[in-house]
Amino acid sequence: SQTIHQWPATLVQPVGSPLSLECTVEGTSNPNLYWYRQAAGRGLQLLFYSVGIGQISSEVPQNLSASRPQDRQFILSSKKLLLSDSGFYLCAWSSGLAGETQYFGPGTRLLVL
Amino acid sequence: AQTVTQSQPEMSVQEAETVTLSCTYDTSENNYYLFWYKQPPSRQMILVIRQEAYKQQNATENRFSVNFQKAAKSFSLKISDSQLGDTAMYFCAFMNSGGSNYKLTFGKGTLLTVNP
Repeated sequence: SQTIHQWPATLVQPVGSPLSLECTVEGTSNPNLYWYRQAAGRGLQLLFYSVGIGQISSEVPQNLSASRPQDRQFILSSKKLLLSDSGFYLCAWSSGLAGETQYFGPGTRLLVL
Repeated sequence: AQTVTQSQPEMSVQEAETVTLSCTYDTSENNYYLFWYKQPPSRQMILVIRQEAYKQQNATENRFSVNFQKAAKSFSLKISDSQLGDTAMYFCAFMNSGGSNYKLTFGKGTLLTVNP
């Protein structure tokens, strides 16, 4: 069966510091991968998605970037964090087929002070 | 652009009773997919149920069922025999089946509390 991991689970970072959140998927190959952000009391907003190694699409222009160095690894980064980057970050995967269900990881709580 | 509206920010139900959560959406597409996700206090998003728009039959998963009204663009979730573990935020989500078939558009969620 497929599993998805995210780390760290919780992160407290000062404004202006760099960020690296990691997501890995097991039990499948060539998945679509997604990064979402959930602000307090709101739904999820898609940030990035990837259909293959090195292929990244951005949905929202912002302070963040994403990379996919390996088939089942997806990384969310920032060079300098802003207060507004605080939130709950969720990684998800799906098969490459149209309309397939997205399955989410446990998430990372990020607090920027 | 597609939008998803959940008009009930909060709801509560007594254990063992039935509750219905509302969701409406706006799209000009004919083929799409609809989802209900559950987010318990742990905050992990868990798939509850999925519906393909081309299927007339309403999806069912154990105690969870949907009432899909395509013409009205309505997709409500019914939870029967509510359990304490059903307490969570519930999100309705839409996915197009066309070119942007990767993107999930979420509603703002309904916080459901099941009372003992």
